[in-house]
Parts: sequence; C-alpha cells; structure tokens
Amino acid sequence: NAGVMQNPRHLVRRRGQEARLRCSPMKGHSHVYWYRQLPEEGLKFMVYLQKENIIDESGMPKERFSAEFPKEGPSILRIQQVVRGDSAAYFCASSPEPTNTGELFFGEGSRLTVL
Amino acid sequence: GDSVTQMEGPVTLSEEAFLTINCTYTATGYPSLFWYVQYPGEGLQLLLKATKADDKGSNKGFEATYRKETTSFHLEKGSVQVSDSAVYFCALREGSNYKLTFGKGTLLTVNP
Repeated sequence: NAGVMQNPRHLVRRRGQEARLRCSPMKGHSHVYWYRQLPEEGLKFMVYLQKENIIDESGMPKERFSAEFPKEGPSILRIQQVVRGDSAAYFCASSPEPTNTGELFFGEGSRLTVL
Repeated sequence: GDSVTQMEGPVTLSEEAFLTINCTYTATGYPSLFWYVQYPGEGLQLLLKATKADDKGSNKGFEATYRKETTSFHLEKGSVQVSDSAVYFCALREGSNYKLTFGKGTLLTVNP
C-alpha cells in the first residue's frame, strides 16, 4: 500500500522562478490537503481540495500561490515568482472522505529552498 | 488564534529510559488534541488523540492525557526503544475537521 507520495523531495529555485510541487494521495483517497512548515514554526494549513474542486483555500497566500487537483493525475501546488520567504517544507495529506476524526495521512514533504 | 507549543528538541535518550515531551496549547474553545509522529523517510502519521478533557489517548506504549486545567497534552512513554527515534508533533483541531494547528516538532533520538 503506497502512502502519500510527494515529489520532488527537495527543490532549489532562484528568486523569481516557479516552483511546482506534486502530491499523489493514497489509493482510494479523494481529498487532499496542503500544509506548509516555515523554519522554526509548526505546520500550517494552506488549502483543501477534492477532485477538480477547491474546497477551502483560506490558508493560501493571496498572491503567487495556487493549487489544483485535476480529475487525472496528482495534486499540484504552484508557487510563481518565488521569494526567499517561500523557503519551507510543504506537506501534502489525504483522506478517503472529509475527515471527521482529524486523522490525515501525510507524505514526507517537499523541501523548497529559494536562493 | 490557536497555537501549540511543544518542547524544544532535540531530545536524546538511552534505550529503556522514560520519555516526556511537553505540549501546551492555546485555543478559544474545546479542541481535539493529537500527537503525530514522523519516522525517518516516512510521512507524518497519527500516533494518538483525545477529544475531550481528561481523555487519555494511547498507542504503541505512548500515552497523553488531555488536561484542560493546564491546557496541556504531554506525551509519555515508560521505556523507549531505538525504533521510537522520530520527530513528534503535537497538534490541535478546533472547528474545521481538516485544519490542524501543529507545534514545531520535537526530534527524539534513542541510543542503544
């Protein structure tokens, strides 16, 4: 049973470039959540998606960040024109249905470094 | 807003030692509380949880009790093993089921 798969594990970008992070949820899971962990902070909720729908993006920065979960393929978190403050670990989680227990299944995270 | 503060790491113990990782929280209501664990090379996974005051969550020899009076949810284990080496995250959920608020994580290393 494959868990939540994230790639790349590590990504280095220069300021102004674009970063794309991918997340394949666990088999049978149709709900995806993205969290971000800035240096010296805890993980913070960014966005909740179902297939082809954004359910809650209240934690997403207003500019440069976008997320999608297409009908086919992985969920993608896209950061345009990256800045140094975007350097963080980005975690994806999934659940088989809207979680009512608080249990989310997380990937290992993608670590973005902006030079 | 909600917040979680947990013990600064790293924590290094010898096998069979007693473990405590402190966690305190700030919330406006009555949150559910969680401990997640991230083993090397893996994603975070739920270790245990408690949904109301005085509840005790337990799993794999780990325990934590929801203390409303001290707003705490300390993680304990009586005898740690090398295989317990991991990063431990305390978290709370208040309101939306998928919006967890996490602490910074505590790295535990257990030496043989």
